[in-house]
Amino acid sequence: NAGVTQTPKFRILKIGQSMTLQCTQDMNHNYMYWYRQDPGMGLKLIYYSVGAGITDKGEVPNGYNVSRSTTEDFPLRLELAAPSQTSVYFCASRGASGTQEETQYFGPGTRLLVL
Amino acid sequence: AQTVTQSQPEMSVQEAETVTLSCTYDTSENNYYLFWYKQPPSRQMILVIRQEAYKQQNATENRFSVNFQKAAKSFSLKISDSQLGDTAMYFCAFMKHRGSQGNLIFGKGTKLSVKP
Repeated sequence: NAGVTQTPKFRILKIGQSMTLQCTQDMNHNYMYWYRQDPGMGLKLIYYSVGAGITDKGEVPNGYNVSRSTTEDFPLRLELAAPSQTSVYFCASRGASGTQEETQYFGPGTRLLVL
Repeated sequence: AQTVTQSQPEMSVQEAETVTLSCTYDTSENNYYLFWYKQPPSRQMILVIRQEAYKQQNATENRFSVNFQKAAKSFSLKISDSQLGDTAMYFCAFMKHRGSQGNLIFGKGTKLSVKP
């Protein structure tokens, strides 16, 4: 079972560069999330999606954009990288409300360093 | 807004002994879910255990169990017969029940070291 996959695993960006973090899930989950984890901290929500074509901002959305054209994919775009975006990024998905599928399953994370 | 507090930044335990990690939360919701996630050095977030607030019975998963005190808004994790592989960061997380965006609110984590 692949579950939630993320690419790349690690990336170094220069200030002002842009990149897309890829996230794919094969569990047919409607809900998908992007979190960031700064050193010594828990995860904070960047953006989320409740289904294809529907996205919304989380707690820390500034500097990021997302799209959800399919159920499987939920890419995160950084347009102008800044040192404050140095972090580990996690993608997660979950199934329908009111079922055991409410549990969120996480990808392995993408470590991003902006210099 | 919901908040999750883990008051123990670091803990250590001897192999084969029992350890309890603390978590408190603040919410005005009546129905919600609580989770414990483990994050080993590989950084993968691994679900340890989950608890539905409307269930009075404490959840258990093998060596892992919780003490859920709804009135006190407390959700501690007990690890029995600790193993070296339990060494990791442990995060407590809260999620509103159905009808919400369903994201997790995390505490800052507790770093657990299991010593041989």
